[in-house]
Amino acid sequence: IAGITQAPTSQILAAGRRMTLRCTQDMRHNAMYWYRQDLGLGLRLIHYSNTAGTTGKGEVPDGYSVSRANTDDFPLTLASAVPSQTSVYFCASSATSGSTDTQYFGPGTRLTVL
Amino acid sequence: GQNIDQPTEMTATEGAIVQINCTYQTSGFNGLFWYQQHAGEAPTFLSYNVLDGLEEKGRFSSFPSRSKGYSYLLLKELQMKDSASYLCAVLDSNYQLIWGAGTKLIIKP
Repeated sequence: IAGITQAPTSQILAAGRRMTLRCTQDMRHNAMYWYRQDLGLGLRLIHYSNTAGTTGKGEVPDGYSVSRANTDDFPLTLASAVPSQTSVYFCASSATSGSTDTQYFGPGTRLTVL
Repeated sequence: GQNIDQPTEMTATEGAIVQINCTYQTSGFNGLFWYQQHAGEAPTFLSYNVLDGLEEKGRFSSFPSRSKGYSYLLLKELQMKDSASYLCAVLDSNYQLIWGAGTKLIIKP
């Protein structure tokens, strides 16, 4: 059972480049989330999707976009990367949104923007 | 604004007991989660509570006090593998998770 996979594991990116972080889950969860984690700060929600075909903005959405074409995949795109987007990015999923369902996390992508 | 406070770092001795506190000010309360995160890894679920009172799961216990905006995680018989960060997260009135910055627990032999 894979759960949630993310790719790449880590990436060094030049500022101004476009980058897509991939996230796939095999739990048939309806809800998916993208967080960033920075030292000294709690996890911050970037974007979320309550179900396939819908997406919403979280706390820090600027500079990021997402799509949810199907249940399993939830890619995060940085259209033009900036150094402040250097962070560890976690994808998560839960059975449903707007509920007490537990969120399960992928292994993360460590992104460095130079 | 919504806020969750946890100590940044704590140190404890192998075999001892440690209590990690979490205080919160959120718009509503639909439960509190504790996650464990080892360095360089993903957060993993430890517990969820919505009712006041102690809930025990093996060596780990969690205690939310909804009326006081406070919870703690109690770890007993500490082992070296318990060295990790412990994240407190509150589910607010909109069922959005509000995360604390985490408490880094260092276990010494």
